[in-house]
Amino acid sequence: SQELEQSPQSLIVQEGKNLTINCTSSKTLYGLYWYKQKYGEGLIFLMMLQKGGEEKSHEKITAKLDEKKQQSSLHITASQPSHAGIYLCGAGANAGGTSYGKLTFGQGTILTVHP
Amino acid sequence: NAGVTQTPKFRILKIGQSMTLQCTQDMNHNYMYWYRQDPGMGLKLIYYSVGAGITDKGEVPNGYNVSRSTTEDFPLRLELAAPSQTSVYFCASSLRRATSTDTQYFGPGTRLTVL
Repeated sequence: SQELEQSPQSLIVQEGKNLTINCTSSKTLYGLYWYKQKYGEGLIFLMMLQKGGEEKSHEKITAKLDEKKQQSSLHITASQPSHAGIYLCGAGANAGGTSYGKLTFGQGTILTVHP
Repeated sequence: NAGVTQTPKFRILKIGQSMTLQCTQDMNHNYMYWYRQDPGMGLKLIYYSVGAGITDKGEVPNGYNVSRSTTEDFPLRLELAAPSQTSVYFCASSLRRATSTDTQYFGPGTRLTVL
């Protein structure tokens, strides 16, 4: 089965600093999702990457999927307290329909941003 | 559009009690999922459904049951609650086109404690 490993497990940064969270897969990634979770709330969809080399940005958050499709990174530029939360990566099992859209998740990265 | 809604938000059960976690989506999504989230463990898939009347086990189905009588509703049943079922439970849904991987949308979660 596919496993996702996120690093670091937790991160504390000063407001305004840049940071990167990594997600490494034991198998080829087909559909890599990034979600953000605030304590006591559900998961909010951030971005999805499918193609090797793909890069997407939303406001100050950029996600990349490497060419070999086994690692993704999430980069936050000029972090703000509103970026604080738990970031999770999730991946589909395979490219076809037999996975029924099931996702495997990493363990999450807890981000704290000090003002 | 309310998206994915879950009730209750919090619940405390005694060992051996039963309960049903409710999940409803109003997006006409075919696929629905139940996950549990334990600290530092990411999300684990309990059960999923690809349409009304069709359900299947995920990674950690023991101690749970589901049904899917309508497209909108996907309740999760705990028959004999055990302390190991203390967790945060998330319901999710996706449209699921034939061959692509669709984004899963999550409910706000149910925080369950079994004492």
